[in-house]
Amino acid sequence: TQLLEQSPQFLSIQEGENLTVYCNSSSVFSSLQWYRQEPGEGPVLLVTVVTGGEVKKLKRLTFQFGDARKDSSLHITAAQTGDTGLYLCAGARDNYGQNFVFGPGTRLSVLP
Amino acid sequence: DAGITQSPRHKVTETGTPVTLRCHQTENHRYMYWYRQDPGHGLRLIHYSYGVKDTDKGEVSDGYSVSRSKTEDFLLTLESATSSQTSVYFCAISETGMIAFFGQGTRLTVV
Repeated sequence: TQLLEQSPQFLSIQEGENLTVYCNSSSVFSSLQWYRQEPGEGPVLLVTVVTGGEVKKLKRLTFQFGDARKDSSLHITAAQTGDTGLYLCAGARDNYGQNFVFGPGTRLSVLP
Repeated sequence: DAGITQSPRHKVTETGTPVTLRCHQTENHRYMYWYRQDPGHGLRLIHYSYGVKDTDKGEVSDGYSVSRSKTEDFLLTLESATSSQTSVYFCAISETGMIAFFGQGTRLTVV
């Protein structure tokens, strides 16, 4: 049973388009992290959100943590080919890595 | 780039043989983790360490053991490799318990 669900599973868009991917759970998390993973590499941390309702921006990427701390979204404005990758969300049920669960990921392809 | 190195990067081994994967860090971080990544399952925690000689099991620990004799090294051993252990293995490190850095991964194939 996936504790964290991510949608869509796959997304293919043209360069310049906007997109939103989602991370949902029935569990409450103390914090949530988003990573991007490129083929043959390990995940790279993009952001950590810790407060319900929190919004963080990283250039063209906007991350939001749900008010109830059960879900999160990642919005990309004017996607570029360099945004291509696997986007993973991970929720922490406390401040220790043993209670840290990953979603299955959204695989994004941005076409030129 | 964070100082975390996994070795080997690729390995093919036969069923029933023992295999050891190594994770080496130069960041002096307290916490170290081993995950496996499989299609449709995301990253699943195998074992983690919260200090030298302090380790504990994760979600999918059966068939795996770990050792941490020094802060910088965390070893993952498959005692008797099976085909179900074919996967990509990632080491991660953290100072606060919130995972910050992953290694580049080890692709293990058990034939």
